[in-house]
Order: sequence, then C-alpha cells, then structure tokens
Amino acid sequence: DTGVSQDPRHKITKRGQNVTFRCDPISEHNRLYWYRQTLGQGPEFLTYFQNEAQLEKSRLLSDRFSAERPKGSFSTLEIQRTEQGDSAMYLCASSLGDRLANEKLFFGSGTQLSVL
Amino acid sequence: GQQVMQIPQYQHVQEGEDFTTYCNSSTTLSNIQWYKQRPGGHPVFLIQLVKSGEVKKQKRLTFQFGEAKKNSSLHITATQTTDVGTYFCAGRRYGGSQGNLIFGKGTKLSVKP
Repeated sequence: DTGVSQDPRHKITKRGQNVTFRCDPISEHNRLYWYRQTLGQGPEFLTYFQNEAQLEKSRLLSDRFSAERPKGSFSTLEIQRTEQGDSAMYLCASSLGDRLANEKLFFGSGTQLSVL
Repeated sequence: GQQVMQIPQYQHVQEGEDFTTYCNSSTTLSNIQWYKQRPGGHPVFLIQLVKSGEVKKQKRLTFQFGEAKKNSSLHITATQTTDVGTYFCAGRRYGGSQGNLIFGKGTKLSVKP
C-alpha cells in the first residue's frame, strides 16, 4: 500500500493523559498536513509541514498540541493533557508539488480519538 | 476569517434523480477543490477548479466555479447508490495563506434504490 498511513486507527484515553499519533505520507510527497474532523463537520486545518519545516499552525490550535516531522518523512502529532473536547478523527494528508495553491491532498484513514 | 459554506447539509434522493450541492465563500478564492468522503472513509480528491467561470465534467458529475470565484457547485446527473457519501468543497483564500485549505461542512447525500 503506497497511500498515506496513520497509526493507531483508534485510541481511547482518559482525560489528562498524553497521546501521540503517527502519520507516514506517500513517500515522494514533500508536504504533510494535519486536520481534525468531528461528526457532521468538514476537516479543520491544524498545521502543515514542507519537508521538515512546520510552516503554518492554526490559531485554533491549543499549546497542548504539538507536531513534528523530524526528517521530512513521517510526522507525529502529540496532544498533552487531553480533554473531552479533543475527541475527534485526526486526519493526516500529504501532497507533492512546487505550487502549493494547486496541490491536491491525499488523506489517510485517520486516527479516531476518544477521551473519556 | 475565511468561511466556506455548503448547502444543503443533507440531501435524500431516489436513485436516478439529480443532485446539486452549492458552496459559497466569504472571500475570493484562488481555487476550489471538491472531495468525496464515503461513510466510514476519508476524503478523496475529486477535482480542482482554478479559472473564473470554469466548468469541468467527470462522467455524471459537473463542477462549476463562479465568475467572481466565490462560489461553486457540484451537480450529479442520474444518481446511483455508489454516489452515496459526503461531498466537501475546499478553498484557499486568494492572496492568503496557501497552506490552509478551508473545508465546508459538506453535503451528505443518501440515495434510495
């Protein structure tokens, strides 16, 4: 499978715990995005990387959220001190190109987070 | 901030009927993309429109981008059960942040056989 892969598929945690998700983009893709999606809503932008550089972060993103892409390949998204409002599907996407405005996103299957 | 709105939120049709979803932005867009998300699945890219007034077709699907580049529509002719899913439009604000692709809330289509 050469698509975007995310791990784990599901995560159940207790409020206050830290969680980390991993995303492996399509191998030649230089851009990687994190989105969050709740039931009945469209994907909400969180952050994106070009290679290893984090170029943009949503203003809605709490400082409890941090993302890394250390070698410009896979990425991790960590949520510290989880809250029930963090429960959502966390989607990773990747894209390739030299003209960001025209790039299409390839999404992974997501990590479903449930905070109890 | 930029908002992308879609109507209707839900649409139930009989198989063979047509379906249209509309997308409106509060700001001018550099381009607009459409994605389809099947139940339990992830968004899958369908098409991108860039030029003012552009119309593109994919078999039974017709996509339009408004003259002012603030609205778009997706029309499906003679729906089939395989068309079931949620259709999202997504756009980037002209002259704004290019990394932030803003999605609408989607239109959920159900098709009765």
